[in-house]
Amino acid sequence: DTGVSQNPRHKITKRGQNVTFRCDPISEHNRLYWYRQTLGQGPEFLTYFQNEAQLEKSRLLSDRFSAERPKGSFSTLEIQRTEQGDSAMYLCASSPGRTAGYGYTFGSGTRLTVV
Amino acid sequence: KNEVEQSPQNLTAQEGEFITINCSYSVGISALHWLQQHPGGGIVSLFMLSSGKKKHGRLIATINIQEKHSSLHITASHPRDSAVYICAVSIGTYKYIFGTGTRLKVLA
Repeated sequence: DTGVSQNPRHKITKRGQNVTFRCDPISEHNRLYWYRQTLGQGPEFLTYFQNEAQLEKSRLLSDRFSAERPKGSFSTLEIQRTEQGDSAMYLCASSPGRTAGYGYTFGSGTRLTVV
Repeated sequence: KNEVEQSPQNLTAQEGEFITINCSYSVGISALHWLQQHPGGGIVSLFMLSSGKKKHGRLIATINIQEKHSSLHITASHPRDSAVYICAVSIGTYKYIFGTGTRLKVLA
């Protein structure tokens, strides 16, 4: 296993288009997290899955955002009708779900630019 | 006021210098992470702390739970240490709050 994989690495889209990102966590990790990071800021929590169940969504995750983890393995984050303010790095992380923070591993992120 | 504050925000050092980055937090935590983020965006976990001190190579991380403060030290700094260092605290079993990061540049 090569760690948490995110695709694509970069995405440029026109305002109003829909985009979808994918995250493949470490295979034995049952917890998966999405974060958003804007320039000069630390990552901000978006949502969290335990297996296929989405257990928490941040208020940052507007109605245009939806995340799924249908089989408890990979996850997708979709943004509909993108806006320029959606331009950010979208980070995925996973963990085994035992002790807090144990094995917490980030992916390399997907950088979204909305033009 | 952010729940996790880092200082300094930016740091430039000469190769070989001893570097300290500080993190203060205002919430109850179950763990604290020091992370390293390179220009490409990928984040690497350096340390996870819940008490005391950890050392890995030239990196040392300490935490004082009573004072709600942690430090990351880099000894004999090198240009390849140039990155953004982020402090993140776990406030439960899964959620992290991140500092805004310290941008370190080590000059040869």
